[in-house]
Amino acid sequence: KAGVTQTPRYLIKTRGQQVTLSCSPISGHRSVSWYQQTPGQGLQFLFEYFSETQRNKGNFPGRFSGRQFSNSRSEMNVSTLELGDSALYLCASSTDRGYEQYFGPGTRLTVT
Amino acid sequence: GENVEQHPSTLSVQEGDSAVIKCTYSDSASNYFPWYKQELGKRPQLIIDIRSNVGEKKDQRIAVTLNKTAKHFSLHITETQPEDSAVYFCAAYSGGSYIPTFGRGTSLIVHP
Repeated sequence: KAGVTQTPRYLIKTRGQQVTLSCSPISGHRSVSWYQQTPGQGLQFLFEYFSETQRNKGNFPGRFSGRQFSNSRSEMNVSTLELGDSALYLCASSTDRGYEQYFGPGTRLTVT
Repeated sequence: GENVEQHPSTLSVQEGDSAVIKCTYSDSASNYFPWYKQELGKRPQLIIDIRSNVGEKKDQRIAVTLNKTAKHFSLHITETQPEDSAVYFCAAYSGGSYIPTFGRGTSLIVHP
């Protein structure tokens, strides 16, 4: 099976802009989770989608949002970008309850 | 919420030695504990996991042990090889919420 894919791989944005990241899970996986990885805070859970519904949400402001489509592909949106949003954004897919996750390569977002 | 402490932050060993990384968690209801390996510039990869109804699990040179009473779990790598060099992350899933909390990571360096 093809692995989890993410697009784009790299992004440079300026403060105040918004950005949309995309994630395609492994075929048959219905759960998609998003994470932010930074040197200072490590890996932090953003949210999880299952069957087009947000099932869990981490402690991030409302500027971070997402959605999932009927084919399980997911998008994440960050509005009004801040310098502190610079990070590697990883998505991961699993078959059901978020366990045994398989990560994508990540999108490296730089906010200037 | 859940809190996961991971130690040590850096571990340097000689090839062939064993390596042990330990994580403690705070939520006694946590029930799933995966370990991920992340090589430089690569995505995290699930290497082994354990559920709360099991005390130990092995996969070739890798093993994970869980002590529910003390609320800690450990990753054991035997006969280390240079290709084991990476950052290793532990995680704990809070019971019922399926939200993972990650440790801060351990940088394992295996010297040839």
